[in-house]
Amino acid sequence: GAGVSQSPRYKVAKRGQDVALRCDPISGHVSLFWYQQALGQGPEFLTYFQNEAQLDKSGLPSDRFFAERPEGSVSTLKIQRTQQEDSAVYLCASSLIGTRTDTQYFGPGTRLTVL
Amino acid sequence: DAKTTQPNSMESNEEEPVHLPCNHSTISGTDYIHWYRQLPSQGPEYVIHGLTSNVNNRMASLAIAEDRKSSTLILHRATLRDAAVYYCILSLDMRFGAGTRLTVKP
Repeated sequence: GAGVSQSPRYKVAKRGQDVALRCDPISGHVSLFWYQQALGQGPEFLTYFQNEAQLDKSGLPSDRFFAERPEGSVSTLKIQRTQQEDSAVYLCASSLIGTRTDTQYFGPGTRLTVL
Repeated sequence: DAKTTQPNSMESNEEEPVHLPCNHSTISGTDYIHWYRQLPSQGPEYVIHGLTSNVNNRMASLAIAEDRKSSTLILHRATLRDAAVYYCILSLDMRFGAGTRLTVKP
């Protein structure tokens, strides 16, 4: 069956541009997570949805970062006025049950490069 | 910061067992211990998880200390395809640390 997909796989942006990263979770999965992974580091938690509700956004580094999941399925992570330090791989994960103890299934990530 | 600590790197020979340790001294009573691994240029993938008892699956075994303040992921026979970064995380925290980079030598 289809896993978690993310698009685009690669994105190059000029500093100051806005970007939107898409995540398609596994069908029927209630929970959705976004992570940021800098080169050589482990994934850093950004935010967590249960259905359309954003239950935790404590990891979003600034108010330039915004995530939504309006219909409880596809999610978009938007970064406004990108800066060089935003360059990273952005990972999306989904899990079946609406708890944080469930197994997460990760997508391949979107590599964002800000010039 | 993550609530788990792991060695930065470990090496193993092919077809030998590997024991990857993880310390989680501040674990709460309802925290599950999850292990994921990340192969180059891929997203992390689930390996195993447990609460109190030792667990086995087709990929690995998880040994959990009696006080639950540490655990060990056991790969019974390492293969070259097991070379990856291994992460130990607590379910209620879901913060990844830097993980352990496992190198498997032929």
